[in-house]
Amino acid sequence: TQLLEQSPQFLSIQEGENLTVYCNSSSVFSSLQWYRQEPGEGPVLLVTVVTGGEVKKLKRLTFQFGDARKDSSLHITAAQPGDTGLYLCAGAWNTPLVFGKGTRLSVIA
Amino acid sequence: NAGVTQTPKFQVLKTGQSMTLQCAQDMNHNSMYWYRQDPGMGLRLIYYSASEGTTDKGEVPNGYNVSRLNKREFSLRLESAAPSQTSVYFCASSEEGGPSSYEQYFGPGTRLTVT
Repeated sequence: TQLLEQSPQFLSIQEGENLTVYCNSSSVFSSLQWYRQEPGEGPVLLVTVVTGGEVKKLKRLTFQFGDARKDSSLHITAAQPGDTGLYLCAGAWNTPLVFGKGTRLSVIA
Repeated sequence: NAGVTQTPKFQVLKTGQSMTLQCAQDMNHNSMYWYRQDPGMGLRLIYYSASEGTTDKGEVPNGYNVSRLNKREFSLRLESAAPSQTSVYFCASSEEGGPSSYEQYFGPGTRLTVT
């Protein structure tokens, strides 16, 4: 069974701080996705990383796929209250996706 | 485009009652999924349909049935609701093949309470 472990589980920071959340597995994935879920809504896809070592940027968010395609990180620079939400990683090897349990981020103004 | 739509948004059932959750997508995706989300448990896959006419069990299928009515619609049925089925239910769809493989698009969810 493929599992994705996300850390930390909860994170509360002040506006303007930087943070990194992690997604780790012992399994290799063909691609890895990050989603953000806001309260009362469904998850929304942020990015897909495919190649080992790949780095993608989405404004203040930087996503990296590990060289061995077993792990990924999400770095947020100068966090804002609008970044608050549940961040989920999901690994693809074969249908269906494997989801981590998420990191719940709260950014306080 | 509406993307993925789900009905109803909220539902309260008594133990033993039945109901069907509806899901439709307008993105011409082949694959559709039903998840439940509970605090501390993350998203757990109930059933999925890789293409019209096929369905497969996910991680937590007991107590549920599904129907892939056509390419657009995928419904989830609770035959005899139990309090353990109190949860938020999400439908999702995805396209297979190419760089967008497995990228899932989610509906807004159905919040179900079973008393």
